[in-house]
Amino acid sequence: EDQVTQSPEALRLQEGESSSLNCSYTVSGLRGLFWYRQDPGKGPEFLFTLYSAGEEKEKERLKATLTKKESFLHITAPKPEDSATYLCAVRDNNDMRFGAGTRLTVKP
Amino acid sequence: DVKVTQSSRYLVKRTGEKVFLECVQDMDHENMFWYRQDPGLGLRLIYFSYDVKMKEKGDIPEGYSVSREKKERFSLILESASTNQTSMYLCASGQLYEKLFFGSGTQLSVL
Repeated sequence: EDQVTQSPEALRLQEGESSSLNCSYTVSGLRGLFWYRQDPGKGPEFLFTLYSAGEEKEKERLKATLTKKESFLHITAPKPEDSATYLCAVRDNNDMRFGAGTRLTVKP
Repeated sequence: DVKVTQSSRYLVKRTGEKVFLECVQDMDHENMFWYRQDPGLGLRLIYFSYDVKMKEKGDIPEGYSVSREKKERFSLILESASTNQTSMYLCASGQLYEKLFFGSGTQLSVL
């Protein structure tokens, strides 16, 4: 059975303090690993897709990387507006399964 | 702009009622999904559909059914609502193997 595990559950950072979020997965045939951002009371918004080990994607202060068993979302010099829940998901055939998310809080 | 629209933002129902949650997408996507989201549990897949009139069970289909009569519309049905179905319900659509677009969610309370 496909499984997606994210850690930590919650992360509190000071503004400018870089860190990484982890997503480990087990899936029979990976068709893509996805990162989403979710703000309170809203649906998730797409950030990145990674398809193969070694692939990296960047957007502003965020960088996503992928290995055969896990993905990392690196946040460099975060700002308070980066506070959100970050969700990881894997696509296997037709469905998409999510981890429980990491709730990030960035204090000014 | 792409759009996934869920019919209600907030819904309050009584135990035993039949509940319909509607979702419409305007992007001609093949795949549509229903998730529920609970604190600490993340998004759990209830049902998905990869084509009109086709449906597949997700991880937690018990107590739910779905209908997809037209490509743009995917409905979630709670046959007899129970208090443990109080949750945030999220609809999403997307093409095969590609990212999903989500609606704003329906917060359902069953009293």
